[in-house]
Amino acid sequence: QKEVEQDPGPLSVPEGAIVSLNCTYSNSAFQYFMWYRQYSRKGPELLMYTYSSGNKEDGRFTAQVDKSSKYISLFIRDSQPSDSATYLCAMKAGTASKLTFGTGTRLQVTL
Amino acid sequence: DAGVIQSPRHEVTEMGQEVTLRCKPISGHDYLFWYRQTMMRGLELLIYFNNNVPIDDSGMPEDRFSAKMPNASFSTLKIQPSEPRDSAVYFCASSLTRFRGNQPQHFGDGTRLSIL
Repeated sequence: QKEVEQDPGPLSVPEGAIVSLNCTYSNSAFQYFMWYRQYSRKGPELLMYTYSSGNKEDGRFTAQVDKSSKYISLFIRDSQPSDSATYLCAMKAGTASKLTFGTGTRLQVTL
Repeated sequence: DAGVIQSPRHEVTEMGQEVTLRCKPISGHDYLFWYRQTMMRGLELLIYFNNNVPIDDSGMPEDRFSAKMPNASFSTLKIQPSEPRDSAVYFCASSLTRFRGNQPQHFGDGTRLSIL
């Protein structure tokens, strides 16, 4: 079993929809949680990060962490075609330097 | 500011050949990471360096893979001899140590490697 599980999709939604992307994990030592966005033929870029449990909002994006359930989510409001990309969750333990990534969910926002 | 720079962007070579991938991290960053990305396995960490010293190479798949960081501004990942199953996109990332909090990793745009 992988340490981080993520539905690969693809997920197709119409423009303006609310998108929910999720990851589950098994390592209770994970404390930092990140979402990266990766456009086709580009490297991942950091979108959001949270520490421990709770919510964090940045514009149209909201990241949620539920450590008790070992479950993290990324919500995208008013989705745009420019949001079409692969979204990777990543996480690490407090003092660790390396990240553990999910396999990514491919999102397509259609006009 | 220049980001992480990788070269070449694409590499196509025949099985058995030596392949060298190059990375220039962001200036001032003290961590450098090499990843491999495939459809089946996603993004896997191969090795990472701190202040030019390899810290964890447990993700390097075989002895055919080696990585070096001779100075703070340059790193190489070498595969010798290459095999078709090494075909993947290889990413380099760098990050900066901060006193506390998360240190985001900044990724290059990758080298797309095809071994025929």
